[in-house]
Amino acid sequence: ILNVEQSPQSLHVQEGDSTNFTCSFPSSNFYALHWYRWETAKSPEALFVMTLNGDEKKKGRISATLNTKEGYSYLYIKGSQPEDSATYLCASNNNNDMRFGAGTRLTVKP
Amino acid sequence: KAGVTQTPRYLIKTRGQQVTLSCSPISGHRSVSWYQQTPGQGLQFLFEYFSETQRNKGNFPGRFSGRQFSNSRSEMNVSTLELGDSALYLCASSPSDRVNQPQHFGDGTRLSIL
Repeated sequence: ILNVEQSPQSLHVQEGDSTNFTCSFPSSNFYALHWYRWETAKSPEALFVMTLNGDEKKKGRISATLNTKEGYSYLYIKGSQPEDSATYLCASNNNNDMRFGAGTRLTVKP
Repeated sequence: KAGVTQTPRYLIKTRGQQVTLSCSPISGHRSVSWYQQTPGQGLQFLFEYFSETQRNKGNFPGRFSGRQFSNSRSEMNVSTLELGDSALYLCASSPSDRVNQPQHFGDGTRLSIL
């Protein structure tokens, strides 16, 4: 079974910069793609769940897109703030098998 | 509404022992999943329970087992502990077994094996 891959592994940006990162997942038997934000010393927090090809979701300055045919999702953060610093995890549910990527560690410098 | 509660928060065991971790899901949530995170690894799926039945199982040895009670609380048991079992164990709940629902995570149990 193919893995869920996230890139980059880590990212350092300045406050106010916009940024994006990628999640690649198996396209076969695809059910859903999840994004989570995991801040240090806290538990992962759900951002989005997407199921349909072409889905776009938005929550404040954060948005995500989904391409199920080619097996990738992008997460965008507009105007990054220091409080956006966290690890962003994606997880793909294929045939009821949930697999997480290793995450992208984002650091936003004031 | 109380969140997902995991106990204990920290645990130290020695090789060969066994351990039981507990997870109380959000009230009304019937699906509970367990994950292991080790340094440098993403979250590795252990198993999922729904209505007291194991619906799915990850690629872990038989030393890892779990169960779910009628009130949806879940326990995970690891027998014959090995050094490599040192990890953060996370539990997550969701209202049902529908895959388009987000999971709500607990704070985890950090298990250290000496």
